[in-house]
Amino acid sequence: SQQGEEDPQALSIQEGENATMNCSYKTSINNLQWYRQNSGRGLVHLILIRSNEREKHSGRLRVTLDTSKKSSSLLITASRAADTASYFCATGGMDSSYKLIFGSGTRLLVRP
Amino acid sequence: GAGVSQSPSNKVTEKGKDVELRCDPISGHTALYWYRQSLGQGLEFLIYFQGNSAPDKSGLPSDRFSAERTGGSVSTLTIQRTQQEDSAVYLCASSLLAQGPTYEQYFGPGTRLTVT
Repeated sequence: SQQGEEDPQALSIQEGENATMNCSYKTSINNLQWYRQNSGRGLVHLILIRSNEREKHSGRLRVTLDTSKKSSSLLITASRAADTASYFCATGGMDSSYKLIFGSGTRLLVRP
Repeated sequence: GAGVSQSPSNKVTEKGKDVELRCDPISGHTALYWYRQSLGQGLEFLIYFQGNSAPDKSGLPSDRFSAERTGGSVSTLTIQRTQQEDSAVYLCASSLLAQGPTYEQYFGPGTRLTVT
């Protein structure tokens, strides 16, 4: 069974706009990671946030984590057509942080 | 440097045949993982290797699935007597460590398996 659920399932925005994707999970975690996948193949690691962190930035990416609500969000600012991809959150458990449990993903389309 | 590589990139097989999928992790990465992704879905954990041993095989869906890793490097995922529900993209990942500060898993491009 999947741990994380992304919302929305699909998102279409204009280039230059911001994109926000949300992830909810069910059990306590050690860390939460966001990955990007192009064309249904290999995943690219974007950012990792640990359970004792609340916010993290990397370039145009901003990730927040609210462990009390068991949720995370990924914000992509000033989106580009090249950001078009599927985005997945993945959680690492308390006892087995290596065992990433993935959500079903958000498909982002950035229109030029 | 070289990333995780997988072969073949695509495999079409007949129901009932056995298949072997190969993964070459990033050099020096001690941890290796196999995942499966069905169409339009997230990834499903299959198995995790630390060195040549597999402390966690909990995600293997049936005894038709097995995996091994030799020399702390290359891993092979074998599916015996393939079924149509085995059709998916099989992704391999490696990481420097499985626990501690270096969690990031680096993924290969995957093998798309189609069982006809």
